[in-house]
Amino acid sequence: SYELTQPPSVSVSPGQTATITCSGEDLGDKFASWYQQRPGQSPVLVIYQDYNRPSGIPERFSGSNSGNTATLTISATQAVDEADYYCQAWDSGTGVFGAGTKVTVL
Amino acid sequence: QLQLQESGPGLKKPSETLSLICSVSGGSISSDSYYWDWIRQPPGKGLEWIGGIYYSGSTDYNPSLKSRVTISVDSSKNQVSLTLSSVTAADTAVYFCARRWGNGFDIWGRGTMVSVSS
Repeated sequence: SYELTQPPSVSVSPGQTATITCSGEDLGDKFASWYQQRPGQSPVLVIYQDYNRPSGIPERFSGSNSGNTATLTISATQAVDEADYYCQAWDSGTGVFGAGTKVTVL
Repeated sequence: QLQLQESGPGLKKPSETLSLICSVSGGSISSDSYYWDWIRQPPGKGLEWIGGIYYSGSTDYNPSLKSRVTISVDSSKNQVSLTLSSVTAADTAVYFCARRWGNGFDIWGRGTMVSVSS
């Protein structure tokens, strides 16, 4: 079955850039989405179709996808961005999520 | 504004069948061409896609759960239902319903916790 691999954790200082990777075989040939989940809350879509931001998502969230790796970048990271982040893609009609990356803003 | 709300029993015994309902408000399930999906999250763990249903009734299921899962839509009630048979402790999770849009899931319910225990 298809797998998406994310680093378990990323630490970033306030105002700096956080980079979260998501790796999967030929992921660049698929569309990647990214979700933010704060403790006790439902996930929120922050990037869809590789680099698009839904309405209401701050511009500091950006995405890219090429080769085997999709990347979520959070620029000028704020304390409110501390959360778990999940990547997601479709493989042969099956939805697949990465295991998640915990972003800590130190 | 479209809202989704999951409901169902909080506790099931092993080998029983779990049934959950996702009630959609603020819009019609059948008025637009969307998939409506179920996703679950075991305590302290990541997200797992269970499956989804198109407004017309066409379904997709996670192969790992396909033999135990049925998703259906009731347009008259504006609801999507999930049935999971032969549950075990491994099925203990928060179950979310979500609308599929742009290859992602753009609207989520709050989720409902289901525990499986004897």
